Amino acid sequence: NAGVTQTPKFRVLKTGQSMTLLCAQDMNHEYMYWYRQDPGMGLRLIHYSVGEGTTAKGEVPDGYNVSRLKKQNFLLGLESAAPSQTSVYFCASCSGLAGAYEQYFGPGTRLTVT
Amino acid sequence: QQPVQSPQAVILREGEDAVINCSSSKALYSVHWYRQKHGEAPVFLMILLKGGEQKGHDKISASFNEKKQQSSLYLTASQLSYSGTYFCGTETGFNKFYFGSGTKLNVKP
Repeated sequence: NAGVTQTPKFRVLKTGQSMTLLCAQDMNHEYMYWYRQDPGMGLRLIHYSVGEGTTAKGEVPDGYNVSRLKKQNFLLGLESAAPSQTSVYFCASCSGLAGAYEQYFGPGTRLTVT
Repeated sequence: QQPVQSPQAVILREGEDAVINCSSSKALYSVHWYRQKHGEAPVFLMILLKGGEQKGHDKISASFNEKKQQSSLYLTASQLSYSGTYFCGTETGFNKFYFGSGTKLNVKP
């Protein structure tokens, strides 16, 4: 059981470039989440999905898009990267709603936008 | 929406106790506690559901006072392995879940 995996682990982008972060889970969880973590800010929810084919906006969705074509995968896209998107990105999965169940986090992706 | 944690940072000697508080301006359905070590992912510690229960996990326990919209995490006889940043997460409605900004705990020998 790998749990939750994320690729890549590190990435440096130039302003305006695009990229996709991949999250995969092997626990058959319905719910998946993308967070960003900035110093002193804790974890802020970007987008989430309550099942295959569904996505919804979280607290800070601007500048990001997501897709959940397969139950086990949740992709986070940056269409035109900005320096304000420099952050550590965590994916998490959950067997139910985040408030009632434990979230399992991936190892994170450290993104720097220059 | 984000819960407020206090203190922001704590330094302890091994064997000392600590309390970390988490408070919300909104009614809470549940409170979660997670610990994150430097450079790693957050790891779940416990969930407290509405009902004012108290839970324990080794020498780490927590309480949830729904009337005061607060939760406290108690670390007893701290060990070096307790060092890290502790986050509370609060559920304030259907799929409305927010993490606090964290409390850094540093346990020294």
